[in-house]
Amino acid sequence: KNQVEQSPQSLIILEGKNCTLQCNYTVSPFSNLRWYKQDTGRGPVSLTIMTFSENTKSNGRYTATLDADTKQSSLHITASQLSDSASYICVVASGTYKYIFGTGTRLKVLA
Amino acid sequence: GAVVSQHPSWVICKSGTSVKIECRSLDFQATTMFWYRQFPKQSLMLMATSNEGSKATYEQGVEKDKFLINHASLTLSTLTVTSAHPEDSSFYICSATGLDLYNEQFFGPGTRLTVL
Repeated sequence: KNQVEQSPQSLIILEGKNCTLQCNYTVSPFSNLRWYKQDTGRGPVSLTIMTFSENTKSNGRYTATLDADTKQSSLHITASQLSDSASYICVVASGTYKYIFGTGTRLKVLA
Repeated sequence: GAVVSQHPSWVICKSGTSVKIECRSLDFQATTMFWYRQFPKQSLMLMATSNEGSKATYEQGVEKDKFLINHASLTLSTLTVTSAHPEDSSFYICSATGLDLYNEQFFGPGTRLTVL
């Protein structure tokens, strides 16, 4: 069964600190893996997209990693800001137009 | 980047009425659009996939007669919630993709539906 699991379910950190979110997947076939940021009451916005051959991809303070062998991905947020408070969703694409969503990690950044 | 809009952003209706939600791709041709619903503190759940000019493909458990989807043009898809009931209250999000977009889907801002 295709599954995408994220951890932790929720996370609270202080402004300026770093954090890492985890995504483990069992999806076949694998096309690519995306991380999205979803603000409360808004649609998801893409942060990074990685294919099978990519190990790391950065987007500003966001750095995603992918280990295709262990089927794990992480999203590292550096020097967190209050505006980083959101849900972060890991999505694995399998074939054409088939997407498996993780349950998300809710991040709260406190001043 | 590719932009997707939704209208309305929120709607409140009485039980038994029908509500139409629009999803538009503003700067690209959306050959495929997706409709999701999201309950509080949960992830997105795919309801249906629609290709321009053809009937939508619904996910298991989604009533196609209750959630009518029309994708009549390459820039517009509509979701009509017929005879809405309070349990239909949710956050509805559409996404779209098209040719030369490398399978990436672009999400709309969502529509909050509240059925009284």
